[in-house]
Amino acid sequence: QQQVKQSPQSLIVQKGGISIINCAYENTAFDYFPWYQQFPGKGPALLIAIRPDVSEKKEGRFTISFNKSAKQFSLHIMDSQPGDSATYFCAAGTGTASKLTFGTGTRLQVTL
Amino acid sequence: DGGITQSPKYLFRKEGQNVTLSCEQNLNHDAMYWYRQDPGQGLRLIYYSQIVNDFQKGDIAEGYSVSREKKESFPLTVTSAQKNPTAFYLCASSSRDRGYYGYTFGSGTRLTVV
Repeated sequence: QQQVKQSPQSLIVQKGGISIINCAYENTAFDYFPWYQQFPGKGPALLIAIRPDVSEKKEGRFTISFNKSAKQFSLHIMDSQPGDSATYFCAAGTGTASKLTFGTGTRLQVTL
Repeated sequence: DGGITQSPKYLFRKEGQNVTLSCEQNLNHDAMYWYRQDPGQGLRLIYYSQIVNDFQKGDIAEGYSVSREKKESFPLTVTSAQKNPTAFYLCASSSRDRGYYGYTFGSGTRLTVV
């Protein structure tokens, strides 16, 4: 059973544009929502994370928007750069369970 | 520098063989995890361990086995019972002090059946 649905599967954005990746979850017990960035041949690296007590978190060009009632959260990458080209995974978890459930990933390509 | 070391980076297995993937961390993290990554399927949890000498099955544990004899080490054995083992395997760790949040991943092992 897939508990975190991620879209789109792939995304092409021009340099300087805004990249938007969406995720939806089912389990209302989730209380931690991170985003990971993965480059080819490497392990994912934590990019930014949010807890459900806030609706938005911003770190540099990266912003998470969170809608608790809709059970959705999204990653916005402002002023997208070619170096942002990677696969992005959303995830959700609960502290007591200690494990994360990941989305299926979005392959982002930022063109010149 | 602290981190997670996975070895080998590439591994080839013949049909019917068992192989063991190594994962070592020097972050003093309590919990360790094994995920399998396949194209279009994201990361799926195989096994995880929150403390030494204890581990739990994840979503796709069949055909895999693990041990956690030391805090720093969490090896994964891919047995001959795993029918489709070709994949990218990722090990991760996290700290109980931080509520288990914020995984640190290794660089992965790519396993290919030949």
